[in-house]
Amino acid sequence: DGGITQSPKYLFRKEGQNVTLSCEQNLNHDAMYWYRQDPGQGLRLIYYSQIVNDFQKGDIAEGYSVSREKKESFPLTVTSAQKNPTAFYLCASSPDSYEQYFGPGTRLTVT
Amino acid sequence: KQEVTQIPAALSVPEGENLVLNCSFTDSAIYNLQWFRQDPGKGLTSLLLIQSSQREQTSGRLNASLDKSSGRSTLYIAASQPGDSATYLCAVDQTGANNLFFGTGTRLTVIP
Repeated sequence: DGGITQSPKYLFRKEGQNVTLSCEQNLNHDAMYWYRQDPGQGLRLIYYSQIVNDFQKGDIAEGYSVSREKKESFPLTVTSAQKNPTAFYLCASSPDSYEQYFGPGTRLTVT
Repeated sequence: KQEVTQIPAALSVPEGENLVLNCSFTDSAIYNLQWFRQDPGKGLTSLLLIQSSQREQTSGRLNASLDKSSGRSTLYIAASQPGDSATYLCAVDQTGANNLFFGTGTRLTVIP
């Protein structure tokens, strides 16, 4: 099956802990993206990567970190510095500057 | 900064009706505009993408239009079905680098 996978679907953490969300794609797409979705708000871009070993901050990068060591993988770490980490996190990939293809999302709850 | 607005936030229609969802954006200098569908608790599915040089795109019962000068796009759904019930999001790409600005979505319910 080709596509984008995110794991786990639900994630629970205690405040003060770092947590890493997984995003893998087998579509051979160069670009990958991380978004955050909160109730009543549109998706907001956290980080994006156009190519392996390179990534840029989006609109709300504070408290997050990423790596892009392989084309297929773009993990997102939510650090303890992120003030409101509870949200629905969506990963996407794109072969070019056109359509983005989204994964199923990870719902993170921090208490 | 680009702002994308979708009105109404929620819409209910009886099955079989044609309907229009609206999307407006503040900066008309866009590269393209994309419509997505999101089912509850799920990721987004791309429906239609309109390049800035285009005025509309069609896929099956869906038709999306773009009026850059007025900062508006519409998504027309013909002969609505209960399976169309979902949240519909529009997003604009301002730079061509695929950094999308999203609207807050319209939650559509099609009543059997």
